[in-house]
Formats: sequence, structure tokens, C-alpha cells
Amino acid sequence: SYVLTQPPSVSVAPGKTANIPCGGDNIGIKSVQWYQQKPGQAPVLVIYYDSDRPSGIPERFSGSNSGNTATLTISSVEAGDEGDYFCQVWETGSSQYVFGGGTEVTVL
Amino acid sequence: QVTLRESGPALVKPTQTLTLTCTFSGFSLSTRGMCLSWVRQPPGKALEWLARIDWDDAKFYNTSLKTRLTISKDTSKNQVVLRMTNMDRVDTGTYYCARTFYYETSGSEGMDVWGQGTTVTVSS
Repeated sequence: SYVLTQPPSVSVAPGKTANIPCGGDNIGIKSVQWYQQKPGQAPVLVIYYDSDRPSGIPERFSGSNSGNTATLTISSVEAGDEGDYFCQVWETGSSQYVFGGGTEVTVL
Repeated sequence: QVTLRESGPALVKPTQTLTLTCTFSGFSLSTRGMCLSWVRQPPGKALEWLARIDWDDAKFYNTSLKTRLTISKDTSKNQVVLRMTNMDRVDTGTYYCARTFYYETSGSEGMDVWGQGTTVTVSS
């Protein structure tokens, strides 16, 4: 089955940029979604279709996808950006969604 | 305003069948491109997608759990029901339903509105 690989954690200083990678075999041809989850809360969609932002999501959140890696970028990181981030794709071959293992973002 | 709410038992015994209901408002599951997914999360672990039902009644399941899952919808009641048989302790976690959109022409998709989740514990 298709596997999405994320680093367990990323640390970033306030005001800096966080890059969260999501690796998968030829992921560049798939549509990638990103979800933010804060402790005790339901996930929130922050990026869909590789780089589109739902309404209400700050422009500081952006996404890219090419080759074997998709990346969520958070610019000018704020303390409120702390949480877990999950990437997700639809695996066409098996007709199912797959989530990455999640990356915990810590703001130093 | 789109809202979703999960309901079901907080505690089930091993081997029992879990039945969860997602009651939603603010959108129609008959609208082309609208779908509803179930996702779960064991304590301290990653999200795991379980199943999806589409506007045209197409159904998709996590292949690892397919034999245990059944998803259905009642459009008139704005409800989607998920049944999971033969529950085990490893099925303990929070279960979410999420509105899911999928637009064939663009390939655009995502789970854009989530319920608050319901916690299920499997224990004898």
C-alpha cells in the first residue's frame, strides 16, 4: 500500500519559516492535502490540491508538490501554529485515502 | 454554516459491533462532489481514514479494514452511519466524520469541515 513519510517533529523560531516535507512514491502526480491539528481538537484543512488554501487560512500557509516530496511551508511562524500536521493523498490504485504519520511543529 | 456531529457508544466490548452516526447540516449529500468520510485516531497516534460515501452512493473503504466496515447514508435525515464489526482494544480512539469534497473536473479534493469527534473505548 502507498506510504507517506513525514518527520516526527520540526522546530522553528518565531518569525522564521517552517518547511514540513511529506514523502511518497511519485507524489508529484497526486493531489496533496494538509491538515493542522491542535491538542484536543479536530483537524483543520489548511492546504488542498497541493497549494490551494481554504477560506480563512492565512496566506502564511503554502504548499508545493513535485517529484517524490510535497512540502507545507509556514512563513512568519507564530506560537499559535504549534500542533501536528498531517499530509494526505487519495491512492487511486486502491481507491483509498492515506495519511502521513504526522509532524509535530514546535515554536521555540 | 456547515456542522457535523458524531454520536455513538463511548464504550464497547471486544467482539461487539460499533455503530456511529454522523448528523450534519448546512450541505446536502446529494450535491455532486459532496462526500462524507470517517477518520479515526488512536490516543497519541496518527489519523487513519476509514471510509467514504459519495453523493452518488459510491462507497470506499480502508482496504485493511474493509471486511469489518459498512458505510451508509440517509439523505433525508442528513445522516451517515458507520458500522465496524468485531471490535478490538486496538480500535480504541477518537472517531471523526468529515465533510469531503471531490471535484472530478479539477481533481480538487479535501476534508474541509470536521465534527468534534467521539471517543470510543473498547474494553471488557
